[in-house]
Order: sequence, then structure tokens, then C-alpha cells
Amino acid sequence: ETGVTQTPRHLVMGMTNKKSLKCEQHLGHNAMYWYKQSAKKPLELMFVYNFKEQTENNSVPSRFSPECPNSSHLFLHLHTLQPEDSALYLCASSQERVPPGELFFGEGSRLTVL
Amino acid sequence: GQNIDQPTEMTATEGAIVQINCTYQTSGFNGLFWYQQHAGEAPTFLSYNVLDGLEEKGRFSSFLSRSKGYSYLLLKELQMKDSASYLCAVGDSNYQLIWGAGTKLIIKP
Repeated sequence: ETGVTQTPRHLVMGMTNKKSLKCEQHLGHNAMYWYKQSAKKPLELMFVYNFKEQTENNSVPSRFSPECPNSSHLFLHLHTLQPEDSALYLCASSQERVPPGELFFGEGSRLTVL
Repeated sequence: GQNIDQPTEMTATEGAIVQINCTYQTSGFNGLFWYQQHAGEAPTFLSYNVLDGLEEKGRFSSFLSRSKGYSYLLLKELQMKDSASYLCAVGDSNYQLIWGAGTKLIIKP
């Protein structure tokens, strides 16, 4: 139990569907992140929110849309995805923007795009 | 470009010692991290090195040489539960974390 909860844990969607991933942290942290994890590849940082403000968007396609309504919740809205978007999506939080400091990860949402 | 290299997979025996290496080339340096990730679980923080030398934490130790762009994670008295992927990450001059692809460690009885 890391204090970061992600739902759903598994998601299968068609290319024309719209779905959302949810992340909630119970740690009182100020920064939240979305990462993409593909097999045998480095973690890819997608978005960073610091004090609810988006501070980074690492050239992520517009079919991924983040939302951070407050410092405890983070969403990733998905629409018209491609099969290559199938991956594990990890949410993380930290007290302040890292580095330095430790990231606390959720267990991830396994996304399959058909 | 920026790059983190670590072996894809390693195998070791229960009770033994294993060393997982990580070499990096980054623009600037703001610390090196090791994370452990069991299959199907969240990555969890193991260690953070910002100065050269060895940091020991129980059965796990992490070493850093900034001049060589090199780190290793040393696991002693291996247990079956140490079977996991180990991720190396480096903070660059823009305070971005650059990640390696991870090393899958398999422990055999």
C-alpha cells in the first residue's frame, strides 16, 4: 500500500471509445505525475502537476488529456487511442517536484487498445 | 542524447550476492535513484545517491561514481522475494528524471 490508488486496474477499449483513468493520493503531496510503462522500455513521463498546475507536457498526443481538479486527484482522459497506446499507465506523487525526493507510485492501470 | 544503460536480465541464487550496474550519460546530474518493481505492482523507492560512495541500507547497498557516470545496486543474502525489476533513474540539469529500461532479477533456489 503506497498511498496512491489507481482505478481501474485493467481497461480494454476500442479505438473509438472514450474512457478515463483515475488516481488518488492520500499522502498530502503537492506534485502528481502520469507515466507510461511499456515492456522493456524506460518509463516515459507524460504529465506533471505541481500544486494543481500543469508544469509539463512531454509532447504527448492530444488523445491523452489530463485533469487535476485538486492536489489529491489526477485523471487521464483517453479518446480515439491507437493500439500502440496499450501499456501500463502509472500515477505517482511526491511531496515536491522531484528530483530530489522520492516518488510514490500507484499499481498502475493496464490499458489494452483493440 | 541522454541515456541510462542497465542489463536487461540477471539470474542469481538464493543466499548469494548480486550486483546490478547502471551507467548514465546525462546533461548535468541531480541524483541517482534505484526503484524496485515486483511484477504487477507499483515501483517502490530503494535508494538515492547524490554524492560519490556507498550507501548501505540493510541487505541493499547503492554505489555512485559521478566521474565515471556509474552506479550499482548490491543485494546481499538474496531471498526469493527479491525477484523483481530494478529501475535506475538519474536527475538531469533540468531536474527531469531519466529512466533506464530496468533489470529483471530472477532468483533461483
